[in-house]
Amino acid sequence: QQQVKQSPQSLIVQKGGISIINCAYENTAFDYFPWYQQFPGKGPALLIAIRPDVSEKKEGRFTISFNKSAKQFSLHIMDSQPGDSATYFCAASMYRTGGFKTIFGAGTRLFVKA
Amino acid sequence: DTAVSQTPKYLVTQMGNDKSIKCEQNLGHDTMYWYKQDSKKFLKIMFSYNNKELIINETVPNRFSPKSPDKAHLNLHINSLELGDSAVYFCASSYRGRYEKLFFGSGTQLSVL
Repeated sequence: QQQVKQSPQSLIVQKGGISIINCAYENTAFDYFPWYQQFPGKGPALLIAIRPDVSEKKEGRFTISFNKSAKQFSLHIMDSQPGDSATYFCAASMYRTGGFKTIFGAGTRLFVKA
Repeated sequence: DTAVSQTPKYLVTQMGNDKSIKCEQNLGHDTMYWYKQDSKKFLKIMFSYNNKELIINETVPNRFSPKSPDKAHLNLHINSLELGDSAVYFCASSYRGRYEKLFFGSGTQLSVL
């Protein structure tokens, strides 16, 4: 019940195109949904995040769309650039006794063709 | 001025050896973690510590023992290394806020031969 399912596994997009990555969760106790970006040889870095009381959050070219009833959320990267080529992880987080727990999706490898 | 730093970056060792990975954060965060990333990039939490106290221990073999001498450091000691331990290990930290925002180190690539 704590799984986070992410798709697609990999994605190739033309420069200037829109990249879309989808995630679904099961446990309604999750109350924070971050996306992390990871470049080769580096650790994941928080990119953007959303709370379930908001349906959309936009930061620059990155937008999260959130559908609470469907328990789904997605990351849209507008005007995708070669520098966006990285692995993207969705995650779901909740607070439980003693501390938080964040569960990660399996990751999406994005390649943006110049 | 690296926020979360871990050493070494690469670790190559033989099966059966014991090794340690060190982690330090200078962000003033209360909570530190170890995550394991396998060859398919899947990220899984191993341990979390809050103010030197173990909070999460996710069914990790007891060959793995975290040690937190103070809230800025969290080391990982691994006994009797096995081939399946080969992975990238990430240290992370977060501050005590309403939501968990993780700050990761650059990882330690462990290869067990």
